[in-house]
Amino acid sequence: QVQLVQSGAEVRKPGASVKVSCRASGYTFSAHYVHWVRQAPGQGLEWMGFINPNSGSTNYAQNFQDRVALTRDASITTVYMELSGLTSDDTAVYFCARINRVGPAAMLDFWGQGTLVTVSS
Amino acid sequence: VLTQSPGTLSVSPGERATLSCRASQSVSSNYLVWYQQKSGQAPRLLMYGASTRASGIPDRFSGSGSGTDFTLTISRLEPEDVAVYYCQHYGTSPLFGGGTKVEI
Repeated sequence: QVQLVQSGAEVRKPGASVKVSCRASGYTFSAHYVHWVRQAPGQGLEWMGFINPNSGSTNYAQNFQDRVALTRDASITTVYMELSGLTSDDTAVYFCARINRVGPAAMLDFWGQGTLVTVSS
Repeated sequence: VLTQSPGTLSVSPGERATLSCRASQSVSSNYLVWYQQKSGQAPRLLMYGASTRASGIPDRFSGSGSGTDFTLTISRLEPEDVAVYYCQHYGTSPLFGGGTKVEI
């Protein structure tokens, strides 16, 4: 079955960077883009960007353009999200999710369990 | 921008819940998606293409709409439907609405 398993919770100091992993299984890794979405405590969902696991090409939300990097290691079917220049506003749960297409429609059909990143001095 | 209303909806079990998602400009219904997020969990795909239920979603959930106005309806609310519901437009830069919290 399709699974996206993320790495564990992280604590970082302001100004530091964090790298979260998302290991995919149960489907052809190269066939589905992987998106990252974050959720600050008590807040809604915020889209960060996506990566094409086949080519490695990326597309980032404007809010994160200069601070986020999505990479992948196809040999272990894993996608990484690295966020730099952390501030307390980056404290959030970070989710990876797989995009799927049914005919003309597109949707995030499987999600990772989420990784809590806490930024605190 | 996707605007969801109301922010919070209080409904009795067995009653109908109607959630709205309004886009600031016309969007393709092919890319209008609804997710359900229960407390402490990852979002779950509910509806895609504005009106197609995802696998395993009960038929008390239905979606409709086109252009700028979309609706998610829960025909007979069950206690397990308590959650926050988000609409999303999967465009060049995928965008989420602010969510509607459904409570009993």
